[in-house]
Amino acid sequence: KAGVTQTPRYLIKTRGQQVTLSCSPISGHRSVSWYQQTPGQGLQFLFEYFSETQRNKGNFPGRFSGRQFSNSRSEMNVSTLELGDSALYLCASSEKQGARNSPLHFGNGTRLTVT
Amino acid sequence: GDSVTQMEGPVTLSEEAFLTINCTYTATGYPSLFWYVQYPGEGLQLLLKATKADDKGSNKGFEATYRKETTSFHLEKGSVQVSDSAVYFCALQSGNQFYFGTGTSLTVIP
Repeated sequence: KAGVTQTPRYLIKTRGQQVTLSCSPISGHRSVSWYQQTPGQGLQFLFEYFSETQRNKGNFPGRFSGRQFSNSRSEMNVSTLELGDSALYLCASSEKQGARNSPLHFGNGTRLTVT
Repeated sequence: GDSVTQMEGPVTLSEEAFLTINCTYTATGYPSLFWYVQYPGEGLQLLLKATKADDKGSNKGFEATYRKETTSFHLEKGSVQVSDSAVYFCALQSGNQFYFGTGTSLTVIP
């Protein structure tokens, strides 16, 4: 099976712009989660989607949003970019939501740089 | 709330040395526990897992045992290689939520 695919791998944007990141989960996986990774804050949970519905949300401002499509693919959007949004954004999929033997499988991330 | 605490890094070892990375957790229920590894420029890869007390997860020479009495899930490897240089994350799953440690950077020198 193909792994989790994130596009693009790298993005450079300027402050005030918006950006959309894409994630294709492993085939058959219905849960998709997004994380922000920075050197100072580590891994921070953004949100989780299952069956096209946001099930959990982390502590991020409303500028961060996401959605999931019927084929389980997911996108996240960040509007009005700030310098502090520069980070590695990781998408992870799992087969079932909340199942004990259903770990997260991560993509290689999108490296976003805001200038 | 639920959380994971892992030892601070960075850790530098010589090739063939013994590795231990400590991880302790706080959870209200009976979580599943995981170790993930992140190589430079990549995402996190699942290294091993344990879903109940006394389970031992193992993969690629790495092992970790789910110790409920000490709320620990320490990662060990008997003989590290240069190729093991990476950042290691301990994580727990409690219900629908995953909680990650801050990561421990390991460098293995020849």
